[in-house]
Amino acid sequence: DAKTTQPNSMESNEEEPVHLPCNHSTISGTDYIHWYRQLPSQGPEYVIHGLTSNVNNRMASLAIAEDRKSSTLILHRATLRDAAVYYCILRPNSGNTPLVFGKGTRLSVIA
Amino acid sequence: GAVVSQHPSRVICKSGTSVKIECRSLDFQATTMFWYRQFPKQSLMLMATSNEGSKATYEQGVEKDKFLINHASLTLSTLTVTSAHPEDSSFYICSARDYPTSTSSGANVLTFGAGSRLTVL
Repeated sequence: DAKTTQPNSMESNEEEPVHLPCNHSTISGTDYIHWYRQLPSQGPEYVIHGLTSNVNNRMASLAIAEDRKSSTLILHRATLRDAAVYYCILRPNSGNTPLVFGKGTRLSVIA
Repeated sequence: GAVVSQHPSRVICKSGTSVKIECRSLDFQATTMFWYRQFPKQSLMLMATSNEGSKATYEQGVEKDKFLINHASLTLSTLTVTSAHPEDSSFYICSARDYPTSTSSGANVLTFGAGSRLTVL
């Protein structure tokens, strides 16, 4: 998987929006942008993914830059349960291959 | 959605003993499962790829004789930590892809188990 760069940590107040950035300047044309998160003492869970267009689902929104060299995961109203490490990973849309995790961003949510 | 179950969730063992961790795909078949290890405050590191009916593929630096992987059925892969030592204490996590569902939804998504925390005394 191509390399991504994320801030080590971010902090948010509860019920406020959170924008988690990810840089992926070496992304290839066939790479999808995936986001996973890992709650404390849990395995990672899928959050959202996209290719070129912005995406929304029940968990979050994904905003993808026009040149695809960066993206932003948006949590519209952070809750205490959103405190986790968020991983941005580039991945092809086929092939039964493992995910390669970077360091991710540790999000703290303050009540 | 796809569910991957791991057992046990926590295990404490004495140094020198062996510990087996099970990873099951509950509602789908998985010809391939991935095993990861995570030390405190660190990211997940891929240990090996488990293939149903054939030998596992290990990442560089992972001892295949120490971390035995068996994938005897389409829904079960096991990781056995042999002759465990305190430095093997870690959080072990497995994952798999629900191929039909992920393909139909257009997402190459992996589902992860909840993890197994191993403490070697």
